[in-house]
Amino acid sequence: DQQVKQNSPSLSVQEGRISILNCDYTNSMFDYFLWYKKYPAEGPTFLISISSIKDKNEDGRFTVFLNKSAKHLSLHIVPSQPGDSAVYFCAIYNTDKLIFGTGTRLQVFP
Amino acid sequence: NAGVMQNPRHLVRRRGQEARLRCSPMKGHSHVYWYRQLPEEGLKFMVYLQKENIIDESGMPKERFSAEFPKEGPSILRIQQVVRGDSAAYFCASSPVAGTGALSGYTFGSGTRLTVV
Repeated sequence: DQQVKQNSPSLSVQEGRISILNCDYTNSMFDYFLWYKKYPAEGPTFLISISSIKDKNEDGRFTVFLNKSAKHLSLHIVPSQPGDSAVYFCAIYNTDKLIFGTGTRLQVFP
Repeated sequence: NAGVMQNPRHLVRRRGQEARLRCSPMKGHSHVYWYRQLPEEGLKFMVYLQKENIIDESGMPKERFSAEFPKEGPSILRIQQVVRGDSAAYFCASSPVAGTGALSGYTFGSGTRLTVV
């Protein structure tokens, strides 16, 4: 039933290194994919998106990769900074609705 | 330029009481979306409204939950006869037009944390 899966509930990375967060989805008909970041007691904040006609989209330190054949997307953060410590949700846009994964808690340590 | 405003931030209700959660969208936004996040889960879509219209309520529980977005004033999510399982964070998002969420995402409020005791 879960259409969007984030199989790693947590990730710990040293400051300056690369953080890679993964997300799998089940329906190949989806066209738009997004990543959100969420701090405790706040709402999710939009980070970056990608459409299915692309396989990569970059915005500063953040890059999203889309592998349509594997139904897999990933978010790369380079270099990771302590302020990146948050929960990251991948989401799929489907007819005005966002379908969220369960999130990956990223901790960036000095 | 205020963002999406939700109030109250925290709400405690006893079982059987009513909970009313309010959401004021960003200025110029006429589309509102409600999501619920249960503990240790992702956000789940509940309902999509435009002014005076419910567009999609496919994620709303069949009973006790209702939502409105009147011509004037904030959007209201109403939960009647709350039960412990309603304890969650409820988030509201807004957009200026339909379809903008695909690549620009939606702007979310800080949420209302409902605790049912």
